Amino acid sequence: DAGVTQSPTHLIKTRGQQVTLRCSPKSGHDTVSWYQQALGQGPQFIFQYYEEEERQRGNFPDRFSGHQFPNYSSELNVNALLLGDSALYLCASSGGQGRGEAFFGQGTRLTVV
Amino acid sequence: QQPVQSPQAVILREGEDAVINCSSSKALYSVHWYRQKHGEAPVFLMILLKGGEQKGHDKISASFNEKKQQSSLYLTASQLSYSGTYFCGENQAHKLIFGTGTRLQVFP
Repeated sequence: DAGVTQSPTHLIKTRGQQVTLRCSPKSGHDTVSWYQQALGQGPQFIFQYYEEEERQRGNFPDRFSGHQFPNYSSELNVNALLLGDSALYLCASSGGQGRGEAFFGQGTRLTVV
Repeated sequence: QQPVQSPQAVILREGEDAVINCSSSKALYSVHWYRQKHGEAPVFLMILLKGGEQKGHDKISASFNEKKQQSSLYLTASQLSYSGTYFCGENQAHKLIFGTGTRLQVFP
């Protein structure tokens, strides 16, 4: 079992650009959640996808959007990047329609310069 | 609003015990516990689903008091591998909200 995989592992972007991060959930999991973790802080919930729909959203602007595909994989898109978007972006998958434990990927380290 | 954890940091010698507390201002229906080592992803430790439930994982156990809206994580006979930051998480309608975190360091 490959577990949760994210790509890329590291990324450097310029302010104002757009970025797409990808996540493949653990086998058998149908729910994907995205988190932003700034240095020294805990993970902050961005949104959750289930059955290709955004089911719940945290306090993040519309610049943050996502998508879930029929195979349950997911993408996180961030437009008009700001310096403050620099963080570790974590993807977590869970089964049971999101009620079970969340398994995290290793994350994508995004640096905006 | 995120759950508040205490203490913020703990320093232990190998073999010592520790307790990490998690308090929420909202009614808790379930509590998750995770450990995150520096530079790594959070790793699931356990989930508590019922009031007063206690679960164990090796020498790590937890309790959940839904009336007090609190959960506690107990680390017994700590090992070097226990070092990391511990987060509780509360499930709020499909949102897993992480607590403020407790940094635990275990020294030989």
